[in-house]
Amino acid sequence: GAGVSQTPSNKVTEKGKYVELRCDPISGHTALYWYRQSLGQGPEFLIYFQGTGAADDSGLPNDRFFAVRPEGSVSTLKIQRTERGDSAVYLCASSLGQLDEQFFGPGTRLTVL
Amino acid sequence: GNSVTQMEGPVTLSEEAFLTINCTYTATGYPSLFWYVQYPGEGLQLLLKATKADDKGSNKGFEATYRKETTSFHLEKGSVQVSDSAVYFCAPPRQLTFGSGTQLTVLP
Repeated sequence: GAGVSQTPSNKVTEKGKYVELRCDPISGHTALYWYRQSLGQGPEFLIYFQGTGAADDSGLPNDRFFAVRPEGSVSTLKIQRTERGDSAVYLCASSLGQLDEQFFGPGTRLTVL
Repeated sequence: GNSVTQMEGPVTLSEEAFLTINCTYTATGYPSLFWYVQYPGEGLQLLLKATKADDKGSNKGFEATYRKETTSFHLEKGSVQVSDSAVYFCAPPRQLTFGSGTQLTVLP
């Protein structure tokens, strides 16, 4: 079956612009996670959804970052007033339940010029 | 809080060498434990899992046994290949902090 998909695969934007990154989890997976990963580092947690609600958003670095999952399936990560330091690969993962293994998407590479 | 501690890298081995990457956990235990792998230029993927104490997970020649008596879930492979070069992450369920993982490089 289909895995986790993320769009776009690459996004180049200018400093100060707004971006939206989309994640389509595996159908039926209730848990959804957003991470970002810089070169040579492991994934850095951003936010975790259980169903439609954000169960843990403690990893969001500041109020420029926001994520939604209105129907408990697709999620969108939104970044306002992008900064060069936001450049990274943004990973999405989903799991059947919160105790199950995570399935990762291919990531969106965000470059802020 | 609950956490796992993973051996830091990098680890460099010659082809056909034996591999152990240590992983220990705190807390009273987890219902399951996972090893994830990230090959160069790719996303993370599940390598293997153990779903209960004393359970052994295995895949691609890798094995790990969930041992409650030593609170460990060490990853082992008897004979590594160049294609095993990757970053390996040990994680419990709902892992939110992966750390930097263990970078393995296998030389021909």
